[in-house]
This record gives sequence, C-alpha cells and structure tokens, in this order.
Amino acid sequence: RKEVEQDPGPFNVPEGATVAFNCTYSNSASQSFFWYRQDCRKEPKLLMSVYSSGNEDGRFTAQLNRASQYISLLIRDSKLSDSATYLCVVNKNTGFQKLVFGTGTRLLVSP
Amino acid sequence: ETGVTQTPRHLVMGMTNKKSLKCEQHLGHNAMYWYKQSAKKPLELMFVYNFKEQTENNSVPSRFSPECPNSSHLFLHLHTLQPEDSALYLCASSQAGSGSDIQYFGAGTRLSVL
Repeated sequence: RKEVEQDPGPFNVPEGATVAFNCTYSNSASQSFFWYRQDCRKEPKLLMSVYSSGNEDGRFTAQLNRASQYISLLIRDSKLSDSATYLCVVNKNTGFQKLVFGTGTRLLVSP
Repeated sequence: ETGVTQTPRHLVMGMTNKKSLKCEQHLGHNAMYWYKQSAKKPLELMFVYNFKEQTENNSVPSRFSPECPNSSHLFLHLHTLQPEDSALYLCASSQAGSGSDIQYFGAGTRLSVL
C-alpha cells in the first residue's frame, strides 16, 4: 500500500464549480498534513496546512479525518487559474521533517 | 529574490559526464533537502541535511553525491548517470525545530541524461 494515495484525475470542471479531492495515508502516527499545488513544469508551492479542526482559506477548505486517515481539499467557485496538480503531503514525524508526497490530483478548470 | 534558488535550470549530460547541481536558500533555514521527481511518480526524498549534517540518505545510488558546506548551500554532484536518472531535481529548505514542517522549494533543475 502506498504511504499517501490520491486519485490522479484529471478532474475536469467548469468555472464556478465546486470540486473536492481526497487523500488517504497509511501511517497513523503522522502528525502534519499539507496540500501543495504544482503547476506544470514548476516547483510545488504550499497551498495550505491541514489542521485537525479543519481550516479554510478563501475558496479553499481542508479537512482532516484521523480516524479514517484521510485528508480532503474542497475548492469552491473554481477559477481557470486553479488548474494545476494538487499534492497531498504527510509528515511521517520520524524526529525530523520527512515529508511523503502523493502523486497528485490534476485539476483542469475550463471556461 | 526567490527564497530558494537552483542552478542550472536545465542540464543535459552524457552518461560519462560529471556535473553538479547547486541550491541556495535565502530564508535563514537550517534544513535542506534534495528530491527527485520523475514523470508520473511522486516526489522522492533523496537526502536531508539538518544543520549541515546529513540525516537521511534514502537509498540513493552512489552516483549521486550530496554536499552541504553550510546551512545556506547544498550541492548534488552527479557522475556516471543513467538515462533513467532523467528527472526534475528539486531542492527545498525548512526551519527544523520551529514547530512548522513547511518546506519551500526551488524551481528545480530539469536533467536529461543521454
């Protein structure tokens, strides 16, 4: 089983749509969780950290479910500029920062 | 000025060449990382340096040799590479022990091995 699993997509949605991505992780001891965004041929950039209570940043909402070991990202009112690959990232918490990345979910927002 | 800079941005090398990738971070961080990103695969952690000391070598072949002369600079020396080593090599940095696990990435070096 992969340490971090994501549906690779692509998710094709029209502008204005709401889209949700899920991610599961295998290490129950993981403590920190993130969503990174990666544009084509660019480096990953932090989109948001994911907290136990859930957190929201504008049109983006992240949720963590420790019992089921999954993380979600909800994007409301999709923009063309949201087209990218969204990487689910988990810190294995082995005493230093060892992030494990999912393969990413590709989102394509069309006019 | 970007926080993490990598040079060169693109590199084409033959299997017998020796080259080096350079990474510099301007964020005052104490931890630096090398990752490999191949097509259709997740980022793979290669090496971790905390306070200039290597703390992780993720079973990377010896044809990749990292060097961290100080907390701001990180190199990846390449020799006798194979075509399957062609990938995007990303450097990242973070502030270990700060309570924040966030890593900041450079733009990467796109390597092609012929």
